[in-house]
Amino acid sequence: GEDVEQSLFLSVREGDSSVINCTYTDSSSTYLYWYKQEPGAGLQLLTYIFSNMDMKQDQRLTVLLNKKDKHLSLRIADTQTGDSAIYFCAEVAGGYQKVTFGTGTKLQVIP
Amino acid sequence: GAVVSQHPSWVICKSGTSVKIECRSLDFQATTMFWYRQFPKQSLMLMATSNEGSKATYEQGVEKDKFLINHASLTLSTLTVTSAHPEDSSFYICSARDRIGGATDTQYFGPGTRLTVL
Repeated sequence: GEDVEQSLFLSVREGDSSVINCTYTDSSSTYLYWYKQEPGAGLQLLTYIFSNMDMKQDQRLTVLLNKKDKHLSLRIADTQTGDSAIYFCAEVAGGYQKVTFGTGTKLQVIP
Repeated sequence: GAVVSQHPSWVICKSGTSVKIECRSLDFQATTMFWYRQFPKQSLMLMATSNEGSKATYEQGVEKDKFLINHASLTLSTLTVTSAHPEDSSFYICSARDRIGGATDTQYFGPGTRLTVL
């Protein structure tokens, strides 16, 4: 079945870049998402990438996809304290378009 | 952008009672809505997929008689937790997929409902 893994915790200093990594197992993924969850809140879609793309940039966010290694990363440039949250990667795969979420990475930004 | 609302945002109930959670797509029509459950410090677990006008499809291990899902219209799906027990306490999140779909077929998430069963 599908499996999506992330590291649990990342701590960076304000102004530095953050890189959150994600690995997945389903090679039939059609596209992959990054979501942000602030404490006590639902999920906010940050960005997405089609499985036939290698990279996507959206302001401070850069998504890199290595389809061969089934590795996805989210880079946040100039990380701010407001970026502190849990970040989930998710893949959409199969004709049923099922979404499988990663375990979530808690990003802590130190002022 | 597309907005999905949930009501209530937080509910506390006694063990044995039933609780209904509503999920609404406010500015788009959603033929498909999804219900997720999130335990503390854990990822989201898909409970069921709800298609308008038909029975919900439940994931393995989710009791359909306990978690009743109704998707009566293109903008509303409800999740009823029947005879709730403390182990049902969790954060329930719904999402809706735009009927138009578009290139990404993106799911839009509601803010979540925190259920606490005493």
